[in-house]
Amino acid sequence: EVQLVESGGGLVQPGGSLRLSCAASGFTFSSYDMHWVRQTTGKGLEWVSAIDTAGDTYYPDSVKGRFTISRDNAKNSLYLQINSLSVGDTAVYYCVRGAVWVEATYFDYWGRGTLVTVSS
Amino acid sequence: EIVLTQSPGTLSLSPGEGATLSCRASQSVSSSFLAWYQHKPGQAPRLLIYGPTSRATGTPDRFSGSGSGTDFTLTISRLEPEDFAVYYCQQYHTSPTFGQGTKVEI
Repeated sequence: EVQLVESGGGLVQPGGSLRLSCAASGFTFSSYDMHWVRQTTGKGLEWVSAIDTAGDTYYPDSVKGRFTISRDNAKNSLYLQINSLSVGDTAVYYCVRGAVWVEATYFDYWGRGTLVTVSS
Repeated sequence: EIVLTQSPGTLSLSPGEGATLSCRASQSVSSSFLAWYQHKPGQAPRLLIYGPTSRATGTPDRFSGSGSGTDFTLTISRLEPEDFAVYYCQQYHTSPTFGQGTKVEI
């Protein structure tokens, strides 16, 4: 059974940083492109990063320069480093498996998400 | 960026009734690269439909997807109690974007 379990969320002050983790199991992690998708109250679901099987990374312009996605295939783990957090980054962050091409894909498995709250 | 608009925002229905959910794209989604997800509170979102008519593994056949170009539909033929949830469409013609969701409630 495919499982994706996120961790690392919490309450952070504006300007702070956070590193989210995702533990994957039930599939050959190194063979799949992986993504982070977030859900905010205001903007709904938003794709925020991707990493392909070769380790190349992809971001929308809205987060480029602040978000860094990475993976450790030996640990079957996915990470998201978020810097310079603002209130607008408050969201549930989902670890997601991509199904087709890394830059244009649907998502066949999702984790339950981890909540990041940015507030002073 | 392709903007997806879902309608209606909320559908109030009873078990056994049918449901029709709409997703309209701001520009044509070529090759019908559109997917539908179901999301229940506290659970992981679940892929239902992709392509836009192919059912994902485990999706009951009461769920069906249709459409092309800019207009897509998710149809639930007979609502079961477990179908009451929020449904999202998503295009993957370009960088993924999602609709704002349709809540199907009792």
